[in-house]
Amino acid sequence: ETGVTQTPRHLVMGMTNKKSLKCEQHLGHNAMYWYKQSAKKPLELMFVYNFKEQTENNSVPSRFSPECPNSSHLFLHLHTLQPEDSALYLCASSQAGGGETQYFGPGTRLLVL
Amino acid sequence: TQLLEQSPQFLSIQEGENLTVYCNSSSVFSSLQWYRQEPGEGPVLLVTVVTGGEVKKLKRLTFQFGDARKDSSLHITAAQPGDTGLYLCAVHFSGNTPLVFGKGTRLSVIA
Repeated sequence: ETGVTQTPRHLVMGMTNKKSLKCEQHLGHNAMYWYKQSAKKPLELMFVYNFKEQTENNSVPSRFSPECPNSSHLFLHLHTLQPEDSALYLCASSQAGGGETQYFGPGTRLLVL
Repeated sequence: TQLLEQSPQFLSIQEGENLTVYCNSSSVFSSLQWYRQEPGEGPVLLVTVVTGGEVKKLKRLTFQFGDARKDSSLHITAAQPGDTGLYLCAVHFSGNTPLVFGKGTRLSVIA
């Protein structure tokens, strides 16, 4: 138990569906992250939020839309995804947005059909 | 471009053997972290090293930070099946930039 929870743990969706991934951290951290982890690729940083403000967007397609209503919650809204978007989506948090230790959730395994 | 290379990519060994995995960067970094990720879970921090030449031990795991602050190694003594997982290194290069992760070394320890 790392203090970071993610729901759902598994998700299967069609290319025309809209779904949302949820992340919650109970560590009092100020920064939250979304990563994509695919086979044969390193962890890909998608978005960073620091004190609820988005500070990084690594050229992520607009079919992925993040939302950070407060420092404890982070969402990733998904729509019109492609099969190549199938991956493990990991959420993490850290005290601030620099090089501090990141605490990861268990991830959401997403399959796009 | 700041590159981070981990080697080997895959490693399969028998229980009781020793092994070393490596993390190398093209640039100097201010700190390095090692994480282990087990199947179905997110990465979990093992150690952080910040001083060039630093050596840290965690039970059967020994972590070394290179003098030039561009590389690190993780040595496991008498590996056990419970050591199986993906070992990731992550570095902080400078300033307020987030961590950069390597591709990882996937270790399998066979009983």
